[in-house]
Amino acid sequence: EAQVTQNPRYLITVTGKKLTVTCSQNMNHEYMSWYRQDPGLGLRQIYYSMNVEVTDKGDVPEGYKVSRKEKRNFPLILESPSPNQTSLYFCASSLMRPNTGELFFGEGSRLTVL
Amino acid sequence: DQQVKQNSPSLSVQEGRISILNCDYTNSMFDYFLWYKKYPAEGPTFLISISSIKDKNEDGRFTVFLNKSAKHLSLHIVPSQPGDSAVYFCAASAISFQKLVFGTGTRLLVSP
Repeated sequence: EAQVTQNPRYLITVTGKKLTVTCSQNMNHEYMSWYRQDPGLGLRQIYYSMNVEVTDKGDVPEGYKVSRKEKRNFPLILESPSPNQTSLYFCASSLMRPNTGELFFGEGSRLTVL
Repeated sequence: DQQVKQNSPSLSVQEGRISILNCDYTNSMFDYFLWYKKYPAEGPTFLISISSIKDKNEDGRFTVFLNKSAKHLSLHIVPSQPGDSAVYFCAASAISFQKLVFGTGTRLLVSP
């Protein structure tokens, strides 16, 4: 089954404790991206990757890191989480850049930073 | 700077009636528009799209209309069904963009 898999789905952590949210897709997609969803703000892009070893900042990259060492994986790293990073996070992928193609989303990871 | 706006946070419709969800955009470079549907505890899923060279695209009960001069698009659902109850996100992109720009979403509730 074609899918984007994120882990963990739910996480409560404390300020400053490094964490990684993993994302994996099995569709051989070149493009991958991370979004966060916040009330009243919709979905905002954090980082994206056009291919292996090619990553770039989205609209809200502060406090996040990413890496793309393999085509299928695109982990999101919070080196020192803060309460303003409490949010619902979505990983997404598409065959190429998504301007004419649909994005496939994971089920989301709800993160709470205390 | 919200380039894609969905000014109605919520919409309630009775089963069988038409649901009309609206979206406005500000960036004239946008040339492709999409609608996504999101159920609770799930990721958004693609619903329907339209290129800027068209003004209408239809897929079953779902029709998207694009008015380029007004920078406005709308999603029509006819007839509405309780299973359509979800949050609907409008999104836009351009050939030079590396992302989809999403609106804030409209929560649709279809009551039996």
